[in-house]
Amino acid sequence: KAGVTQTPRYLIKTRGQQVTLSCSPISGHRSVSWYQQTPGQGLQFLFEYFSETQRNKGNFPGRFSGRQFSNSRSEMNVSTLELGDSALYLCASSLTAGGPYNEQFFGPGTRLTVL
Amino acid sequence: TQLLEQSPQFLSIQEGENLTVYCNSSSVFSSLQWYRQEPGEGPVLLVTVVTGGEVKKLKRLTFQFGDARKDSSLHITAAQPGDTGLYLCAGGYNNNDMRFGAGTRLTVKP
Repeated sequence: KAGVTQTPRYLIKTRGQQVTLSCSPISGHRSVSWYQQTPGQGLQFLFEYFSETQRNKGNFPGRFSGRQFSNSRSEMNVSTLELGDSALYLCASSLTAGGPYNEQFFGPGTRLTVL
Repeated sequence: TQLLEQSPQFLSIQEGENLTVYCNSSSVFSSLQWYRQEPGEGPVLLVTVVTGGEVKKLKRLTFQFGDARKDSSLHITAAQPGDTGLYLCAGGYNNNDMRFGAGTRLTVKP
């Protein structure tokens, strides 16, 4: 069974540009969550999608947005990039949404560098 | 501000030593998970605990959930170089959101 895949793995952008990251969940998983990981802040929750609907959203500005397609693949978009957006962006898929035993499977992440 | 505080932030020990890392919060969690993340990879779930006072063992790893469900610890016995990685705790809230700590970076030297 293929794991969670994220593309691209590495990305370099300049301030003011926008970027789109892609995540393909494990086959059969309907929930996709996105996280931003930085050395100082750890993993910060961005948003979660379940069956094409945004179920939860973290405390990030509106420049961060996402969507989920009917095949459960998800994309996140960051507009007007800032230096502070440099981070590892992780996608996690799970079978369903919510619940303490709902195991999340993480992809390898996309390393975004903003110059 | 981190909702979950993990300590220590960094830990470097010799193979064979024991260690304990901590995860603390002022909030009560409905559940708590521990993950390990290796360089170039995403975090991998190690354990989920949901009951206050619960203790779970996974080979040389022992996980404990505090009685008040506000803290947790991970104890590793006879650490091995393969245990090297970033250990993350994640607390679950009533709305089923998971919030992560910044992690403890463990290095086990041979």
